[in-house]
Amino acid sequence: EADIYQTPRYLVIGTGKKITLECSQTMGHDKMYWYQQDPGMELHLIHYSYGVNSTEKGDLSSESTVSRIRTEHFPLTLESARPSHTSQYLCASSEIFNEQFFGPGTRLTVL
Amino acid sequence: SQQGEEDPQALSIQEGENATMNCSYKTSINNLQWYRQNSGRGLVHLILIRSNEREKHSGRLRVTLDTSKKSSSLLITASRAADTASYFCATVPTDSWGKLQFGAGTQVVVTP
Repeated sequence: EADIYQTPRYLVIGTGKKITLECSQTMGHDKMYWYQQDPGMELHLIHYSYGVNSTEKGDLSSESTVSRIRTEHFPLTLESARPSHTSQYLCASSEIFNEQFFGPGTRLTVL
Repeated sequence: SQQGEEDPQALSIQEGENATMNCSYKTSINNLQWYRQNSGRGLVHLILIRSNEREKHSGRLRVTLDTSKKSSSLLITASRAADTASYFCATVPTDSWGKLQFGAGTQVVVTP
């Protein structure tokens, strides 16, 4: 069954730790996206990729980085987590101009 | 910057009633999409309407698009408690290569 997965679902971590949020999709989509969303607020695009070895920064500045070595995998890394990074992170994939398929999200809390 | 602005911010109705929410945007678009988000979860795509379409239906959902006014509306007919969620409009601007720009969403609560 085609789907998009995110792990972990919840993460509570101390300041200064390095973290990687995982995102994988089985739909063969070239386009993948990372969004940041605070509770009850709109989604902000922080990174996107149009294919392997292609990554771009989104509309909202973020201290995170991403990589796209395989079509199905689009991990997001924070080298040194801070309380201001506390948020929900949503991964999505799509064919261009079409609907985006979202993962369940990772709720990150940095203490 | 926020491309879509939604109105109202919150809506509370009873089961069986219709729910209408509106979305306005600023630039020319390729298409406009509506998504639903249950609390703390990812988004689920509801419907996509292209810039050359004026109305689209999917089950109990009806979407209209007025490109001259840069606005769209989502109507949910005969609402159910399970429709309780946040609803977001998202536009694909013509120069965005498929990137979505989201509005702030409308929180809908349907009470039995």
